[in-house]
Amino acid sequence: AQSVTQLDSQVPVFEEAPVELRCNYSSSVSVYLFWYVQYPNQGLQLLLKYLSGSTLVKGINGFEAEFNKSQTSFHLRKPSVHISDTAEYFCAVIVSGGYQKVTFGTGTKLQVIP
Amino acid sequence: DAGITQSPRHKVTETGTPVTLRCHQTENHRYMYWYRQDPGHGLRLIHYSYGVKDTDKGEVSDGYSVSRSKTEDFLLTLESATSSQTSVYFCAISGTGFNNEQFFGPGTRLTVL
Repeated sequence: AQSVTQLDSQVPVFEEAPVELRCNYSSSVSVYLFWYVQYPNQGLQLLLKYLSGSTLVKGINGFEAEFNKSQTSFHLRKPSVHISDTAEYFCAVIVSGGYQKVTFGTGTKLQVIP
Repeated sequence: DAGITQSPRHKVTETGTPVTLRCHQTENHRYMYWYRQDPGHGLRLIHYSYGVKDTDKGEVSDGYSVSRSKTEDFLLTLESATSSQTSVYFCAISGTGFNNEQFFGPGTRLTVL
């Protein structure tokens, strides 16, 4: 079975500073990887996804993530954060083949400090 | 935005009572899911559906049942609510294909006293 680890439960960062949110996964087969964002009192929405091809994936709101198969990681980055990026971010994995059962990480709360 | 609604949005109930949460979609997507979100646990899958009357258990299905009699509706029932089922419940949908993203509803905040 696959699993997802987000080691950082909270990440404080000053406005306009860069940020990296870490995600590691475990799976014995090929996976598809996702990052979702959840703003306060809302459902989740997709930031970006890796299916195949280029390992650097660009998403909405200036975020990007890099798939590293050897390190089984899919870290999320943004070069300069804004107050509006304050939210909780979830990494997720789908194992290729079989039904679409997504495994989510426990989430990382990004707090942007003015 | 994907057309997903959840009802009710907030509910307070007492231990031992049955509760039904409704998810309604207008996207005609095949897959529907129920998750619960709790601090420190992220989202955990309760049940999912891969078609009308086709459902299966997720990782935290004990105490919950589901039904899907129409493509657009997916019902989650707490047969006898307990305080441990106090949570925020999210419905999600996705289309056919293993690489499709999931679209989430706005959530239902359930409090069991």
